[in-house]
Amino acid sequence: NAGVTQTPKFQVLKTGQSMTLQCAQDMNHEYMSWYRQDPGMGLRLIHYSVGAGITDQGEVPNGYNVSRSTTEDFPLRLLSAAPSQTSVYFCASSYSMGPGNEKLFFGSGTQLSVL
Amino acid sequence: DAKTTQPPSMDCAEGRAANLPCNHSTISGNEYVYWYRQIHSQGPQYIIHGLKNNETNEMASLIITEDRKSSTLILPHATLRDTAVYYCIVRVRYSGNTPLVFGKGTRLSVIA
Repeated sequence: NAGVTQTPKFQVLKTGQSMTLQCAQDMNHEYMSWYRQDPGMGLRLIHYSVGAGITDQGEVPNGYNVSRSTTEDFPLRLLSAAPSQTSVYFCASSYSMGPGNEKLFFGSGTQLSVL
Repeated sequence: DAKTTQPPSMDCAEGRAANLPCNHSTISGNEYVYWYRQIHSQGPQYIIHGLKNNETNEMASLIITEDRKSSTLILPHATLRDTAVYYCIVRVRYSGNTPLVFGKGTRLSVIA
């Protein structure tokens, strides 16, 4: 049981490049989400999904796309990277988000630098 | 929407109890209080949650005041490995699928 797996752990991009951050979970969780964390800040929600085929925007969705074709995977796409997207990205999953069930399991993060 | 207020930082001596406060004066009746922590460079880790009764698990205890306007997370015997940022979260708005929103938390330093 690997939990939530994120790849890559580190990535350096040039401005304008595109890339996909991968997130996979093996716990059959319906809910998955992406957060970004900037130095000295808490986590800010980018996008989330409540099940395969269903996604929604969080607090800071601009510049990011997501899709959820399977229960296990929830990739985050940067279409045209900008220096403002330099951050640590965390993927999280949960069995559900009903009241009392919001126990999130987090991946180990992806450190992204955009030059 | 309920919001939380936490002190930005706290210190605690190793072996002593760490008491981390959280104010959530606008909490609604069906909103839970959650605590997570984030050890340096790692993903956040769930600690405990509660509605109105005090809760205890192998990691910590959660004390919620009777009016539910504040709570305290208690680490009974803090160790150096408990040094982390602790987040108090109240479910922002119940819709069945609304995500958890993290603030800046409290940075707890456990000192030898």
